[in-house]
Amino acid sequence: AQTVTQSQPEMSVQEAETVTLSCTYDTSESDYYLFWYKQPPSRQMILVIRQEAYKQQNATENRFSVNFQKAAKSFSLKISDSQLGDAAMYFCAYLVRSDDMRFGAGTRLTVKP
Amino acid sequence: EPEVTQTPSHQVTQMGQEVILRCVPISNHLYFYWYRQILGQKVEFLVSFYNNEISEKSEIFDDQFSVERPDGSNFTLKIRSTKLEDSAMYFCASSVWEGDGYTFGSGTRLTVV
Repeated sequence: AQTVTQSQPEMSVQEAETVTLSCTYDTSESDYYLFWYKQPPSRQMILVIRQEAYKQQNATENRFSVNFQKAAKSFSLKISDSQLGDAAMYFCAYLVRSDDMRFGAGTRLTVKP
Repeated sequence: EPEVTQTPSHQVTQMGQEVILRCVPISNHLYFYWYRQILGQKVEFLVSFYNNEISEKSEIFDDQFSVERPDGSNFTLKIRSTKLEDSAMYFCASSVWEGDGYTFGSGTRLTVV
């Protein structure tokens, strides 16, 4: 069974600084997809960034980027120039075709002004 | 931007009653999902639906639960004989294809009293 582990239940960052959220996963598949979702206090799940496992290049979306290490099964999220609106729960998720998306336990990010 | 719409946003029901949670997925999406999140816990997969039938379900999705796509736009989750432990946030999601990121609705908060 595939599992997703987020080892940091809580993280804190100063506004305008950079923070990295960790995620590891366990799989025997070679072709899969990885995601980071943001869940603000409204509890809506918002897709932040997506990575295909067959792509070596790390995905980026504005201030958000990932460090995808396929051999290490690691998928960390870097948030640059952190803003107050970045405060939320962040979930790492794994998906292989013909299966369901599986989520980690989440990391609560606090942004200090 | 297209949205997944869920109604109601909050439902309170008495233990033992039946509830129907409603979702309108994005119109050109073909895959539909229900997830739940008990307060403070991880997001858990319930069921996926494709081509008018269940494609996968988790161990949580027992005979108490059912899904239906009664017309071309709605996707419903029915919970029969609700229990206190069914209290959770229920998220509907949809995707164009299996490997795509899911678009989540804003959730229905179900409270069983």
